[in-house]
Amino acid sequence: SQQGEEDPQALSIQEGENATMNCSYKTSINNLQWYRQNSGRGLVHLILIRSNEREKHSGRLRVTLDTSKKSSSLLITASRAADTASYFCATAPGRALTFGSGTRLQVQP
Amino acid sequence: GAVVSQHPSRVICKSGTSVKIECRSLDFQATTMFWYRQFPKQSLMLMATSNEGSKATYEQGVEKDKFLINHASLTLSTLTVTSAHPEDSSFYICSAQGLAPSSYNEQFFGPGTRLTVL
Repeated sequence: SQQGEEDPQALSIQEGENATMNCSYKTSINNLQWYRQNSGRGLVHLILIRSNEREKHSGRLRVTLDTSKKSSSLLITASRAADTASYFCATAPGRALTFGSGTRLQVQP
Repeated sequence: GAVVSQHPSRVICKSGTSVKIECRSLDFQATTMFWYRQFPKQSLMLMATSNEGSKATYEQGVEKDKFLINHASLTLSTLTVTSAHPEDSSFYICSAQGLAPSSYNEQFFGPGTRLTVL
């Protein structure tokens, strides 16, 4: 079953704006990962945040983690048209990954 | 990072036929491979976990006799969709985990296979 939910389900913004998407999960975790998927393509690993971390940065990406609320957020700053994709959070309660429901981001040029 | 390939990338078949999808780790040995299915505009759902040399472990609701998984070597796992029906049309994605997984269960994903059953 789905581990978590993401919101919003869909997000449309203008190029240059920031995009924030949120993820909630249900079980305890060691880490949480974010992936990007372009339409009809495979997954690209973006960033991993460990359970003892609260915030992590990678380029234009900023991820936060609140284990007390079992939630995480992904912020993409200064968005570009090329950021248009679906974004998924994922946790590993076992060995396999369990993915959130995803956010479809559309960045208008 | 490590590279995982899938073949074919796209397949169209008639209802009732069987389709085999290959997942290969190109530059590392994968003790474990995972098969996911993704319906349009939905998330990835784990179908089964495949360990080299042993039987696959299927998730609840996934028919093991319909989705045959073979992980005969450390670099190859195959998923065969038997007697395919239109409702099996989906995007199938594999991922591979190496001999010495990192502390965060690092997996490397293939590019996916789009199956369309007519």
